[in-house]
Amino acid sequence: SQTIHQWPATLVQPVGSPLSLECTVEGTSNPNLYWYRQAAGRGLQLLFYSVGIGQISSEVPQNLSASRPQDRQFILSSKKLLLSDSGFYLCAWRKDILGNSPLHFGNGTRLTVT
Amino acid sequence: AQSVTQPDIHITVSEGASLELRCNYSYGATPYLFWYVQSPGQGLQLLLKYFSGDTLVQGIKGFEAEFKRSQSSFNLRKPSVHWSDAAEYFCAVGTDDKIIFGKGTRLHILP
Repeated sequence: SQTIHQWPATLVQPVGSPLSLECTVEGTSNPNLYWYRQAAGRGLQLLFYSVGIGQISSEVPQNLSASRPQDRQFILSSKKLLLSDSGFYLCAWRKDILGNSPLHFGNGTRLTVT
Repeated sequence: AQSVTQPDIHITVSEGASLELRCNYSYGATPYLFWYVQSPGQGLQLLLKYFSGDTLVQGIKGFEAEFKRSQSSFNLRKPSVHWSDAAEYFCAVGTDDKIIFGKGTRLHILP
């Protein structure tokens, strides 16, 4: 069966420090990968998605970037964190990009920028 | 543009009472619809999905949802809620490339 791992679970970082969140999927090949951010009362905001190695689509301009160095690895990064980057970050995967393919989520990373 | 609206930010029901969470969508083609549940500090878990066919779909944990094309709605229901159902619920519509989520409804259960 497929599993998705996301780490760390929680992170406290000072403003201006770099960020690296990692997500890996097991038990499938060529998954479509997604990064969402969740802020209180604002639902899920899609940040990035990837349909293959090295292919990244960005949904909103911001202080973050994403990379997919391997088929089942998806990394969310920042060179210098802002206070506004605080939130709950969720990684997810889909088998394909057809509309009827559901997302499967990791357990999330709680990021607090101080 | 595709969108999902969950008009209720918070809903409170008593344990054992019935539940209905509302969801309206905007999508030009036949929609693929989902309901997810999120417990505090956790990721989202898929409750159920609708693609085609029978408009009443059954999901996990005793939940069901009914697709009504004329009302552009996909409401989630449960006949009798349990304290463990307290969580946040998200409705979503699936398109090529991405899934679009509503802002969620937080469900509170009174003992």
